[in-house]
This record gives sequence, structure tokens and C-alpha cells, in this order.
Amino acid sequence: EDQVTQSPEALRLQEGESSSLNCSYTVSGLRGLFWYRQDPGKGPEFLFTLYSAGEEKEKERLKATLTKKESFLHITAPKPEDSATYLCAVLGGSQGNLIFGKGTKLSVKP
Amino acid sequence: DSGVTQTPKHLITATGQRVTLRCSPRSGDLSVYWYQQSLDQGLQFLIQYYNGEERAKGNILERFSAQQFPDLHSELNLSSLELGDSALYFCASSVEVSGATDTQYFGPGTRLTVL
Repeated sequence: EDQVTQSPEALRLQEGESSSLNCSYTVSGLRGLFWYRQDPGKGPEFLFTLYSAGEEKEKERLKATLTKKESFLHITAPKPEDSATYLCAVLGGSQGNLIFGKGTKLSVKP
Repeated sequence: DSGVTQTPKHLITATGQRVTLRCSPRSGDLSVYWYQQSLDQGLQFLIQYYNGEERAKGNILERFSAQQFPDLHSELNLSSLELGDSALYFCASSVEVSGATDTQYFGPGTRLTVL
């Protein structure tokens, strides 16, 4: 069964304190791994798609990496506005729907 | 702004009632997906339509149904509502049907409260 597990469930950082979020997955035939950001009561906002092991993508203070079993979202020198829930999702096999993890709730204090 | 629109933003209704949620995909997108998000379950896939035809079903209850119209907008119908149906309902859209690695863009959601 395809599955996505994110850790930690919650992460509290001080402004400027870099860290990483983890997404481990089991899926038959990974076609893509997606990172989304979700603010409370809002829809998920697309951040990155990674297709193959070794791939990396960056956007401002965020960098996503992918291995054969997991993905990391690295946050460098975070700011309070980076506070949100970060969701990881995979697309695999012949399915068209995303399978989501439960997310990591990030809080960045000034 | 993802370009996906959903109405209404909030919906409050009673148990046993029926409601309809509406979604308009991004311009040019042919696939529409419906997801349910509750506090304990996270985002769960309900159903997918591509160019008017049902393509995939997830954990969708028999009391729920959906359709996609010729103008590509979609509606999710929820009937015989129960307290446990209270959740955020999201619509997402993408360009192509499954088989391609395709980014899904999400709408702002409809918050359903069943009293």
C-alpha cells in the first residue's frame, strides 16, 4: 500500500535557525513527489515537484531533495512568515491522485 | 492565487441535509480532483474527473457524488449529511489525465459544518 509519513509532526524554530523536514514514502513506481505549503483554513500552495533520486530544487529559503526512500525540505534562516504546515505528497503507479502525508506544522518565532 | 475557484467558502447545515459544492478549474486544465481534509485524517482523495468523465475513485462515500460539466466546472454533492462529514473540501485541477506527472493546483476550499 502506498504510504507517506512526515516527521516531525510539529517543529518550533527561532528566526534564523535552519532545520529540515522529512518525508518518507513507499510507493510502487514513483512518478513524482510534491511539496505544498498550507496556511490555516487555506488551500495547499504548490512549492516543488521532484521526479527522480538525486534531484534538488530551491525557492528562496527552501530547498527540497529526493532519495529513493525519502525527501527533505531544508529551511535556511527561516522567518516568521515561513510558519505554516508543509505537506508532502506522492504520485505513483497508474493513479492520478496524490497521496498525502499528515504534514509538519512549522512555527518560527521572532 | 492558484486560479482554481471554489464556492461557497463556508457552508453550515443540519444533519440529513444535502449540499452542493462547486469548483472551477484553472483555465486549460481538464482534470478536476476532490479532496476532503479533516483534523485527524489529513487530505484524502475522493474522486477525479477528466474532461467530463469519471477517472478514479478514492475513499468516497456512497452518499457523495460528483460530476464535471461541459464547461469543465465540477460539483460535489453531499447528501444525508452526518456530523462526521464536517471538514474542509478542496478541489484541485491539472492539465492531463493520470499517466503523466502533473502538478495539481488547489482551490481555497469550502468549509462544511454539519450541526
